[in-house]
Amino acid sequence: DGGITQSPKYLFRKEGQNVTLSCEQNLNHDAMYWYRQDPGQGLRLIYYSQIVNDFQKGDIAEGYSVSREKKESFPLTVTSAQKNPTAFYLCASKTGASPGELFFGEGSRLTVL
Amino acid sequence: GESVGLHLPTLSVQEGDNSIINCAYSNSASDYFIWYKQESGKGPQFIIDIRSNMDKRQGQRVTVLLNKTVKHLSLQIAATQPGDSAVYFCAENNNAGNMLTFGGGTRLMVKP
Repeated sequence: DGGITQSPKYLFRKEGQNVTLSCEQNLNHDAMYWYRQDPGQGLRLIYYSQIVNDFQKGDIAEGYSVSREKKESFPLTVTSAQKNPTAFYLCASKTGASPGELFFGEGSRLTVL
Repeated sequence: GESVGLHLPTLSVQEGDNSIINCAYSNSASDYFIWYKQESGKGPQFIIDIRSNMDKRQGQRVTVLLNKTVKHLSLQIAATQPGDSAVYFCAENNNAGNMLTFGGGTRLMVKP
């Protein structure tokens, strides 16, 4: 079935470590997005990519990095510079046509110990 | 804008009643709106969408109403069921950037 796969679902990290969250989609979508969600709050945009080898900062990009070397993949690295990384991270994708529905993965929960 | 506080607005309804979830959006130039449902620990799921040239759209048991004059969006769920319990988010399309901006969400609790 077509969809978006995020891994790992749960991740624990010690302070000072970088971690990378995986996001893969087989929907042939051009655009991919990373959102952060804190308890009881909405979704905040971290980074997005409209096309391979190009990406843009969202509202809260500090302390995060991404790459888009392949259309199917948009990994997110949470660096040690992110001061409060414990959160639920959601990856999404959509076709290049605007506007349109975002398709979401099941999320990755990162906890910093 | 960013949500503040840790407490989502909550709507509690009796099973079988109709639910109405409201959302105020910010950008008068937004041309597309979506409602998502998010169950605990899962990713948001698409419910229904509407373009700005419409004021009403119906799906299966759900209706979205758009009032551009007051920048208000509502989701109506008919005959609410326990499986409808979730957090509901509205989102508007940022006309300039092909991105969705999400509202803070409303928690729907269905009492059996």
